[in-house]
Amino acid sequence: GDSVTQMEGPVTLSEEAFLTINCTYTATGYPSLFWYVQYPGEGLQLLLKATKADDKGSNKGFEATYRKETTSFHLEKGSVQVSDSAVYFCAPMDSSYKLIFGSGTRLLVRP
Amino acid sequence: DVKVTQSSRYLVKRTGEKVFLECVQDMDHENMFWYRQDPGLGLRLIYFSYDVKMKEKGDIPEGYSVSREKKERFSLILESASTNQTSMYLCASKAGGSGARTTEAFFGQGTRLTVV
Repeated sequence: GDSVTQMEGPVTLSEEAFLTINCTYTATGYPSLFWYVQYPGEGLQLLLKATKADDKGSNKGFEATYRKETTSFHLEKGSVQVSDSAVYFCAPMDSSYKLIFGSGTRLLVRP
Repeated sequence: DVKVTQSSRYLVKRTGEKVFLECVQDMDHENMFWYRQDPGLGLRLIYFSYDVKMKEKGDIPEGYSVSREKKERFSLILESASTNQTSMYLCASKAGGSGARTTEAFFGQGTRLTVV
């Protein structure tokens, strides 16, 4: 079945460091791809999305590019802040329009 | 401002109780979902609904049922709560129709349920 693999966390970085969170997926068809973020004690919020090959989603300094050939959607940010500390979920959408979640990656940014 | 509202942030229930978790959305979305979130396991889909009175099992439906009598409301029911159902429960809604493939799901704030 459809699945997603994210790098194991926690990822610990100093403020202003460069962030990459890897995401690869298996899915039938041509899924849309999403990154969600969950701040402590809250539900999930959409961070960015891409709906076709080579699309780049971006928001709040985060970016991810839809790579169909490698079935990847890696999340990047050039300079992280303490306020970016959260859990990040990569989520492809399956052919029935349901989001498929992995275990998420916890990011901890230290001052 | 779009909203998915879950009726409780925190709940404590006793083993064997019947538990209702309520979710309401104000976006006229066709699709609604219930997930549970556990450390190390991410989000797992319990049930989803494509329309009023329609429901389909997700990956982990055992011990749960759902009800969708109105479009805006999707209820998760634990028929007889057990300690292994202690978890964070998240409701989500999503538009259907021609935009279904590209539109995102909106999540509620979550209900942290503890069964003692």
